[in-house]
Amino acid sequence: NAGVTQTPKFRVLKTGQSMTLLCAQDMNHEYMYWYRQDPGMGLRLIHYSVGEGTTAKGEVPDGYNVSRLKKQNFLLGLESAAPSQTSVYFCASSQIWGAGGKNIQYFGAGTRLSVL
Amino acid sequence: GQNIDQPTEMTATEGAIVQINCTYQTSGFNGLFWYQQHAGEAPTFLSYNVLDGLEEKGRFSSFLSRSKGYSYLLLKELQMKDSASYLCAVRVSGGSYIPTFGRGTSLIVHP
Repeated sequence: NAGVTQTPKFRVLKTGQSMTLLCAQDMNHEYMYWYRQDPGMGLRLIHYSVGEGTTAKGEVPDGYNVSRLKKQNFLLGLESAAPSQTSVYFCASSQIWGAGGKNIQYFGAGTRLSVL
Repeated sequence: GQNIDQPTEMTATEGAIVQINCTYQTSGFNGLFWYQQHAGEAPTFLSYNVLDGLEEKGRFSSFLSRSKGYSYLLLKELQMKDSASYLCAVRVSGGSYIPTFGRGTSLIVHP
């Protein structure tokens, strides 16, 4: 059982280049998330999805787009990368269970992106 | 919005007890999570509190007071491997159950 898998693990881009980060989960979770983590800033939500075919903006969505065409996959796209997007990106998934909606998030190993 | 505060960094000695605090200001509180994140790794779930009181799980315990907007994570019998960041996340009621994370507390355990 792989859990949440992110590809690639590392990437270096030049300003203006585009790329797509892939997240795959094998736990049949409904919810998926993309976060960025910068020193001293904690985890900030970029976009999320509450089910196949749905996406919604998080706290810091500008400069990113997402798609959830299949339940198990959540893609994060950078159309024109900027140095401010240098960060570590984490994907997560969760399922709501129990009356209280415990909603534990399971995270991938992260993608370290540098934009020069 | 939500305002979540944690100390930036703490140090402690192996074998000791450490308490990491998290305070929050939010409307419609609906649960608080603690995650552990080792350097260069993914966060992993530690605990969840939605009602007042103490939840104990081995060497780790988490406490919640909803009226005070306060939680703490208590780590007993500290080990070197407990050196990590500890992230507090708060969820509000309604909407899509998306928790908001604090900035995390970096815990350094020394011999």
